[in-house]
Amino acid sequence: QVQLVQSGAEVKKPGSSVKVSCKVSGGTFSNYAFTWVRQAPGQGLEWMGGIIPFFGVSNYPQKFQGRVTITTDESANTAYMEMSSLKFEDTAVYYCATKGDSGSFDHWGQGTLVSVSS
Amino acid sequence: QSLLPQPPSASGTPGQTVTISCSGSSSNIGGNTVNWYQQLPGTAPKLLIYRNSHRPSGVPDRFSGSKSGTSASLAISGLQSEDEADYYCAAWDDSLNGYVFGIGTTVTVL
Repeated sequence: QVQLVQSGAEVKKPGSSVKVSCKVSGGTFSNYAFTWVRQAPGQGLEWMGGIIPFFGVSNYPQKFQGRVTITTDESANTAYMEMSSLKFEDTAVYYCATKGDSGSFDHWGQGTLVSVSS
Repeated sequence: QSLLPQPPSASGTPGQTVTISCSGSSSNIGGNTVNWYQQLPGTAPKLLIYRNSHRPSGVPDRFSGSKSGTSASLAISGLQSEDEADYYCAAWDDSLNGYVFGIGTTVTVL
């Protein structure tokens, strides 16, 4: 059974960057596509982008283009999400998930709280 | 952020059936498959229904999904206390070239 374990909570200042990791176990890393979703306090889910490592292709919604970068390191069985120019409103729990062929987000990490505070 | 409309809340007594709707357009639900996620309090979301009506292994058959035109529905039959959670629909949107989620529905078991 595939498991995704994310890095720990972060506290960042406005204007700085954060990089969240998502380590995969229990499967063949190169078989997976990955996606990132965030959830602001008390709010719903928001898709941030995804990557298909096999093809080296990533895509992002317009809102996050240029500010979010999703990468993978197959040697470490890990996916990453880096966000720059952090704002107070980026305070949220960030989730990684594997993406199935039907577009469903099949397996999820436990979430990483990123707090942006001065 | 573009969100698919869902009723903000739904409730029922144990054993009842609760149905949650998710409305969209031809660019998302109308032209692509719908997935549903369950988020129990304080936990990560979990895939509940994929490809409109399919249940992943381990999901009870009390949960069922359907799609018609530009709308989708999730039904929870034989409601149980452990079903208290937030439920989100999601679909790919061809116009946005990205995934869109529903606003989420909080289910309460009375």
